[in-house]
This record gives sequence, C-alpha cells and structure tokens, in this order.
Amino acid sequence: EDQVTQSPEALRLQEGESSSLNCSYTVSGLRGLFWYRQDPGKGPEFLFTLYSAGEEKEKERLKATLTKKESFLHITAPKPEDSATYLCAVQADGGSQGNLIFGKGTKLSVKP
Amino acid sequence: DVKVTQSSRYLVKRTGEKVFLECVQDMDHENMFWYRQDPGLGLRLIYFSYDVKMKEKGDIPEGYSVSREKKERFSLILESASTNQTSMYLCASSFEPIYEQYFGPGTRLTVT
Repeated sequence: EDQVTQSPEALRLQEGESSSLNCSYTVSGLRGLFWYRQDPGKGPEFLFTLYSAGEEKEKERLKATLTKKESFLHITAPKPEDSATYLCAVQADGGSQGNLIFGKGTKLSVKP
Repeated sequence: DVKVTQSSRYLVKRTGEKVFLECVQDMDHENMFWYRQDPGLGLRLIYFSYDVKMKEKGDIPEGYSVSREKKERFSLILESASTNQTSMYLCASSFEPIYEQYFGPGTRLTVT
C-alpha cells in the first residue's frame, strides 16, 4: 500500500535555529513529490515539486531535497512567520490519475 | 497567479439537507479535485474531474456526488448531509495530473 509518513508531528524552534522536516514514502513508483504550507483555517499553499532523486528546489529560507525513499524540507534561520503546518504529498505510478497521497503534516512553531 | 475560489468559508447545515459546495478556478486547468481534511486523518480525496462532464471517484466518495458542467467550475454535492460529514472541504485544480495542485481557501462545513 502506498504510504507517506511525515516526522516529527510537531517542531518548536527558536528564531534563527535551522532544522529539517522529513517526509518518507513507500510507493510502487514515484511520479512526483509535492511540498505545501498550510496556515490555520486556510487551504494549502504550493511550495515545491520534486520529480527525481537528487533534485533540489529552493525558495527563500526553504530548501527541498529528494532521495529514493524520502524528502527533506530544510529551514534555514527560520522566522516566526514561517510557523505553519507543512504537508508532503506524493503521486504514485498506478494510482488514479492526479491522485495525491498526503502525509499528516509537521506543525512548525518558530518563537521569537 | 492561480486563483481557486470556493463559494463559502463557513457553512452550517442540518442533518438531511442537500448541500452544494462550489469551486471556481481562473487558470483554464483541466483537472479539478475535492478533498476533505480532518484532524488526525489528513487530506483525503473525495472526487476528481479531468474534463468537463468527466468524474472519477477518489478514496472516500460515499455520500457525495459532483458536477462539472463548465471547465472552470466543479461542484460537490452532499445529497443528504450527516454529522460525520462535518469537516473542512478543500477544492484544488491542476493543469496536468502530474503537476502541482492549487488549493482554494476551504469551506468549513458543520452539520448539526
């Protein structure tokens, strides 16, 4: 069964304290891996797409990387405004067209 | 910028009522999706559509139906609302199934 697991469930950081969020996946074949940010009461906001192992994408303080079994979202020198829930999703070979499998998310809190 | 709008941010309905949730996207995307999001369960796909008048069941279609009469509009219908359908409903769209999905702001539905 295709599965996506995110860890940790929650992460508290001090402003400026860099860290990484993990997304591990078990799928028959990976079509794409997606990272989203979600603020409370709002819809997920698209951040990155990764398609193949070794690929990296960067945006401001965020950097996403991909291996054959997992993806990391690295946050460098975070600020309080980076506080949100970060969701990882994968699209797998053999799955329904367009169907994304979401992890349960990592809730990030950044304290000033 | 991609814009996905949903007809209501908050909705309160009574058990047994027929409920319509509407979603409109302005980017000429072929694919549209309906998800529900519940604490501890994450996002789960209800239905998606890859073309006008075409639809496919997602992971949890029971108790729901959909309608797509125009490319930009995708409606989710709860034929007879029940309390276990209280949830956050999220609409999304994408240009191609393998590409990133863009989400609307969500509708928080409460069924009493």
